[in-house]
Amino acid sequence: EIVMTQSPATLSVSPGESATLSCRSSQSASSSLAWYQQKAGQAPRLLIYAASTRATGIPARFSGSGSGTEFTLTISSLQSEDFAVYYCQQYNIWPYTFGQGTNLEIK
Amino acid sequence: VQVLESGGGLVQPGGSLRLSCAASGFTFSNYGMSWVRQAPGKGLEWVSSITTNGGATYYADSVKGRFTISRDNSKNTMYLQLNALRAEDTAVYYCAKPLGTGWSPWDWGQGTLVTVSS
Repeated sequence: EIVMTQSPATLSVSPGESATLSCRSSQSASSSLAWYQQKAGQAPRLLIYAASTRATGIPARFSGSGSGTEFTLTISSLQSEDFAVYYCQQYNIWPYTFGQGTNLEIK
Repeated sequence: VQVLESGGGLVQPGGSLRLSCAASGFTFSNYGMSWVRQAPGKGLEWVSSITTNGGATYYADSVKGRFTISRDNSKNTMYLQLNALRAEDTAVYYCAKPLGTGWSPWDWGQGTLVTVSS
């Protein structure tokens, strides 16, 4: 199975600054890569799919890039509501697998 | 578009439980559906998927032979039968609907908590 590795595990950033989250796959995920946001006590919410396409209703400050085995989620001008855990997921090869998550916290 | 899980609860090791996922706001029979779980304080794990007509099912190795996925398109509902439950099956179980006509990415329900403990 494809192993997804996210870095860093925790990222401390001040509101208004930008955050860059990384995700690496052990085999090519092509562009079949999604990013989800999860807040405490809530279900994950789809942010980005096909590596770089924002889901409906997702603000433009969220952007995704990459293909193959290296992917990045960038959040510009962080808002208070953006502090959460972020997961990447590959859906190129079964079983579909997730990274372990990056906890984006307020600095 | 909404999916609503139910059926979670406290069960003893070795016990059984049936989860349901009721769908509304979309043509349920057009979508392959999935279950994904999250153990307390842990990450996300795909559990099982089923094709549009239920003709094919897929399972994670960790649940194969113990869990059974099914669906009733006349009731717009998917099920997950959990048997021979273990402590490590304790998790929130999410019903996941794909964004488009493929299998993923997913939109999620709110989840239902399964606790396996004596």
